[in-house]
Amino acid sequence: QSALTQPASVSGSPGQSITISCTGTSSDVGSYNVVSWYQQHPGKAPKLMIYEGSKRPSGVSNRFSGSKSGNTASLTISGLQAEDEADYYCCSYTGSSSHWVFGGGTKLTVL
Amino acid sequence: EVQLLESGGGLIQPGGSLRLSCAASGFTFSSYAMSWVRQAPGKGLQWVSVISYSGESAYYADSVKGRFTISRDNSKNTLYLQMNSLRAEDTAIYYCAKGGLIVTHFDLWGRGTLVTVSS
Repeated sequence: QSALTQPASVSGSPGQSITISCTGTSSDVGSYNVVSWYQQHPGKAPKLMIYEGSKRPSGVSNRFSGSKSGNTASLTISGLQAEDEADYYCCSYTGSSSHWVFGGGTKLTVL
Repeated sequence: EVQLLESGGGLIQPGGSLRLSCAASGFTFSSYAMSWVRQAPGKGLQWVSVISYSGESAYYADSVKGRFTISRDNSKNTLYLQMNSLRAEDTAIYYCAKGGLIVTHFDLWGRGTLVTVSS
């Protein structure tokens, strides 16, 4: 099972919005509405930001939103803040023996 | 406080064995599937294994199948990962995560424990 495809890096200025894409296949992202997104600061554990495509866990800012179209899921962060600078990973259930597959990660830089 | 705390990592020679533990607190451990996810140095996340809330069902990534065994002791609120026949490519930070199976996301993560496989 190949990793989901994410851009290696994205950047934006404070206050702007950015979108990170996550492209899979009809066997994973396209088949299940269970894409999740994780934020990871350097040296820290990942933190769940979005689950089931567009739901936010309690305590996560509403500046974070998720969506999906076909085989591609997206994470949008609006009103960028310096603290948003981190690595972001998408993840999807695959239904195969691999069960869960992650994206390669996207480094977000807040300029 | 709701938390997961991994232990048991270290330096091990290729072909060796290691058992990781993950102590859970602050939630009803026996009600949730639990997973292991690893991250090689400077690399992305990779799902390793999941076990059902009861321990009756377990699944593995192809890369560790036949070498790793996941288990749990609900009386001790502890998750385990027995790793045998370790290879250099198993070198990674191993995270314990709450979720998997019916709950198809991981909503609580531990700090991780580093496993280094090297001679």
